[in-house]
Amino acid sequence: QVQLVESGGGLVKPGGSLRLSCATSGFTFSDHYMSWIRQAPGKGLEWLAYISGGSTYIKYSDSLKGRFTISRDNAKYSVYLQMNSLTAEDTSVYYCARGRFGANYFDFWGQGALVTVSS
Amino acid sequence: DIQMTQSPSFVSASIGDRVTISCRASQDISNWLAWYQQKPGKAPKLLIYGASNLQSEVPSRFSGSESGRDFTLTISSLQPDDFATYYCQQAYTFPFTFGPGTTVDI
Repeated sequence: QVQLVESGGGLVKPGGSLRLSCATSGFTFSDHYMSWIRQAPGKGLEWLAYISGGSTYIKYSDSLKGRFTISRDNAKYSVYLQMNSLTAEDTSVYYCARGRFGANYFDFWGQGALVTVSS
Repeated sequence: DIQMTQSPSFVSASIGDRVTISCRASQDISNWLAWYQQKPGKAPKLLIYGASNLQSEVPSRFSGSESGRDFTLTISSLQPDDFATYYCQQAYTFPFTFGPGTTVDI
């Protein structure tokens, strides 16, 4: 069955960096685009970044101001999110999500990784 | 960016009730609209895609419809497992955007 498991979350000081990983299984990873989506405590969902199956097409939310980088390793069935210059406003649960074939819907999600930015 | 609005923000309902949730896009998105269900502490779950297509293994009491820029999620007969927050999402163009959510509670 399809599984997505995030790791790498935790407590980080303002200005710090963190790298999230999302390990997947149960499907042909390279056939699907992947996205990262976050949810601040008690708030709604915010799409952050997208990467195509071959990493040839990458898009980001303008709100990230170039601080985050999405990447993937198809051999490891994993997608990553490098987060730099973190602020308290980045405190959220971060989800990786699989793109449904042929459309920009998210049909499978990980359990989420909590990132807390605090001194 | 395309703005998504939802109404109401909160629905108080009982088991067996018919519940409708509305979502409006700030511009034309054709039928590129999805609905998700999220329970506390859990990841969202895709319910409907393409405005009206039921995702695999989602109960048939859920349905979606569209009229221009307005979209509707209907739960025909509310079940205990349906108490959750529901989000719409436009999949028409980057950045993908979500509505603010509608919480269905007892």
